Amino acid sequence: DGGITQSPKYLFRKEGQNVTLSCEQNLNHDAMYWYRQDPGQGLRLIYYSQIVNDFQKGDIAEGYSVSREKKESFPLTVTSAQKNPTAFYLCASSIASAGQRSYEQYFGPGTRLTVT
Amino acid sequence: GQQLNQSPQSMFIQEGEDVSMNCTSSSIFNTWLWYKQEPGEGPVLLIALYKAGELTSNGRLTAQFGITRKDSFLNISASIPSDVGIYFCAGPNTGTASKLTFGTGTRLQVTL
Repeated sequence: DGGITQSPKYLFRKEGQNVTLSCEQNLNHDAMYWYRQDPGQGLRLIYYSQIVNDFQKGDIAEGYSVSREKKESFPLTVTSAQKNPTAFYLCASSIASAGQRSYEQYFGPGTRLTVT
Repeated sequence: GQQLNQSPQSMFIQEGEDVSMNCTSSSIFNTWLWYKQEPGEGPVLLIALYKAGELTSNGRLTAQFGITRKDSFLNISASIPSDVGIYFCAGPNTGTASKLTFGTGTRLQVTL
């Protein structure tokens, strides 16, 4: 089955620790994205990558870092510099072309991070 | 920046009722996407619209791309309990092919 996997589903960390969230896709998509969702709110873009070894900041990149060493993988590190890291984190992917189909983003199941 | 406003913010309906929700923008979009998110899960793409005036169905769901290109509508017919969730509209940011703007969401509750 093709899809996007995120692990773990729930993650707990102490304040001051960095934590890395995993995102893997086997859809052969070129583009991948990380979003943050807070309770009762919409999705805010953290980082995105349209091709291996390249990525761009989204709207709320401060306190986060990413890497894109493989097409299938786009891990997100929540650093200790992120002031309010507790949130629901969603990874997505899409094909990367000039056509309208490239707008269709497919999401993973999410990771709920709690920092105390 | 671009904003997408969804209404209503929440709906409480009885099983079997039809549902209508909409998404509006102050700027023109050339693509509209509708997603459903269930509690604790990632959003699932329901319908994608690519042309003004386009009407597309997916089972009991029907979505329309508004003629003005500044709005879109989602209808659910004969609602069932599993329709519960948050429905988001989304559209591509101008000038950046990969980035989407998401609406504020419409929360749907279905009672028996």
